[in-house]
Amino acid sequence: AQKITQTQPGMFVQEKEAVTLDCTYDTSDPSYGLFWYKQPSSGEMIFLIYQGSYDQQNATEGRYSLNFQKARKSANLVISASQLGDSAMYFCAMRHNTNAGKSTFGDGTTLTVKP
Amino acid sequence: EAGVTQFPSHSVIEKGQTVTLRCDPISGHDNLYWYRRVMGKEIKFLLHFVKESKQDESGMPNNRFLAERTGGTYSTLKVQPAELEDSGVYFCASSPRTATDTQYFGPGTRLTVL
Repeated sequence: AQKITQTQPGMFVQEKEAVTLDCTYDTSDPSYGLFWYKQPSSGEMIFLIYQGSYDQQNATEGRYSLNFQKARKSANLVISASQLGDSAMYFCAMRHNTNAGKSTFGDGTTLTVKP
Repeated sequence: EAGVTQFPSHSVIEKGQTVTLRCDPISGHDNLYWYRRVMGKEIKFLLHFVKESKQDESGMPNNRFLAERTGGTYSTLKVQPAELEDSGVYFCASSPRTATDTQYFGPGTRLTVL
């Protein structure tokens, strides 16, 4: 069975500092994708970054990077130079490439950036 | 390019009533997904359309929920009759071609059943 675990219900970070949001996953399928989404207070889900299970390098998108450790089954999101607008809930998700697109989500981590 | 849109943004109904949620995917996206987040719990998959066909509906909670995607464009999710436990945020997502493409989410519909 697929499972995503986000162990940090809430995180605080000082503006301009970096923060790591944890995500571990459980799967026996070798082919999958890992995603991070941001949900600000307005409610929409914003796609941030994607990592494929066969990708050799860690994904990066601007200030977002994904620390992918396949053997440990972890896919932590690193946000560098935090901004006040980064305050939001962040969801880690996984999708098996053989499972017709169904995504499994973690419970989310609420990030608060302090000025 | 317009993103995924959902209507209404909020709906408050009484137990036993019917509600229909609508999702318009990004133009040209064949794959359409419904998810929901019940208060305090994780986002859960409901079902997946490829064009007008239901590819996977394993997450639909019971037969009070009916999803359609006539013509392979927009989709509707009807809850009839609504129960208190149906309250939550219903998200729609779409992806372009294959199921491995990134899913782009709409803003969600917040459903409250009183």
